[in-house]
Amino acid sequence: AQKVTQAQTEISVVEKEDVTLDCVYETRDTTYYLFWYKQPPSGELVFLIRRNSFDEQNEISGRYSWNFQKSTSSFNFTITASQVVDSAVYFCALSPSAGGSYIPTFGRGTSLIVHP
Amino acid sequence: DARVTQTPRHKVTEMGQEVTMRCQPILGHNTVFWYRQTMMQGLELLAYFRNRAPLDDSGMPKDRFSAEMPDATLATLKIQPSEPRDSAVYFCASGVDYNEQFFGPGTRLTVL
Repeated sequence: AQKVTQAQTEISVVEKEDVTLDCVYETRDTTYYLFWYKQPPSGELVFLIRRNSFDEQNEISGRYSWNFQKSTSSFNFTITASQVVDSAVYFCALSPSAGGSYIPTFGRGTSLIVHP
Repeated sequence: DARVTQTPRHKVTEMGQEVTMRCQPILGHNTVFWYRQTMMQGLELLAYFRNRAPLDDSGMPKDRFSAEMPDATLATLKIQPSEPRDSAVYFCASGVDYNEQFFGPGTRLTVL
């Protein structure tokens, strides 16, 4: 069985602060994908990143960075110099990458509020 | 810019009525998922299809919900009869095999 835990229900920061959203997962699969999605107030979930379990290299995209650590089963997401437009609910998700089950498991989400 | 489309965007209906939600996945995608989102339960997977074949609908109340994919460009989710507890936002998402999903804008359903 798969499980994704996002322990932070809500985070509130002031603009320009750095913020890290935590994601811890459990799986018995040897190969899997990890994802982050953003759900802004408009409601539509937007894909941000996919990471293969074989690839533990950290990734940076502008102000966003992701830290994947297999040893601690974590895939954390950091926003540097946060902006009001970053206010959203962020979901971490996990799915197998082989084996025939395509069902992803989503965390409960972390609501990020960035104050001006 | 390819997108998943969903209709209707909003639906208000009375208890007992039939509700049909439609989804057009992105052309070329072979997986389609239906989710329900509520504050209490978060994001719940209701059903999913691969190459139009239903693979899992264990998250769906069978007595009143049904999901179909009559062709590659259309997925439907029906509730009959609807109940107030079905009030939620219903999302459709499509993707390719194990890869990331692309979500539609959702259908906000209110059952009075």
